Amino acid sequence: EEQLVESGGGLVQPGGSLRLSCAASEFTFSSFWMSWVRLAPGKGLEWVANIKQDGSEKYYVDSVKGRFTISRDNAKNSLYLEMNSLRAEDSAVYYCARGQSMFGLWGQGTLVTVSS
Amino acid sequence: IVMTQTPLSLSVTPGQPASISCKSSQSLLHSVGKTYLYWYLQKPGQSPQLLMYEVSSRFSGVSDRFSGSGSGTDFTLKISRVEAEDVGIYYCMQASHIPWTFGQGTKVEIK
Repeated sequence: EEQLVESGGGLVQPGGSLRLSCAASEFTFSSFWMSWVRLAPGKGLEWVANIKQDGSEKYYVDSVKGRFTISRDNAKNSLYLEMNSLRAEDSAVYYCARGQSMFGLWGQGTLVTVSS
Repeated sequence: IVMTQTPLSLSVTPGQPASISCKSSQSLLHSVGKTYLYWYLQKPGQSPQLLMYEVSSRFSGVSDRFSGSGSGTDFTLKISRVEAEDVGIYYCMQASHIPWTFGQGTKVEIK
């Protein structure tokens, strides 16, 4: 069964850093764009970033530009989100999703809480 | 691009139809001739799932009770006969202009 499994979430202080991972299985990971989408408490879904199959193109929502970095390792079937200078408003469940915008497969999400 | 959904909540009797509107602040017709408007559903306790892509194409496994329509800036998701399993929050999302943006979500409940 095709699957995406996120990990790396947790509690971090404002200004801190965190690295999220997403492990893909049972599909050809290197053939797909991949994305991160988040859901903050009491809010709606927000697209965060995406990355092309070979990593040559990356796009971000303005609120995370310069602070977050999306990357991938096709040899390890893994997607990453390096998050620096974290703010309270970055608190959310972070989902990895398969696709550039047509998100046909989602992970279960990993919770990031930014608080002192 | 700002995506505005109405209504924000909907209570529907099983077997009755339901409709959700999604309006964009700019046309979603892309230069390549496609309109990248999607509908997602997040059921309680679950991850979001894709319902419709490019306005009116149903994703694999999605019931034909769901249909999408619209063009330019005005789009609609219709459920012909609501069932208990349809409860959740419905989101439209545009991907014609970077950054992709979602609507606020429409919460659908069963009466």
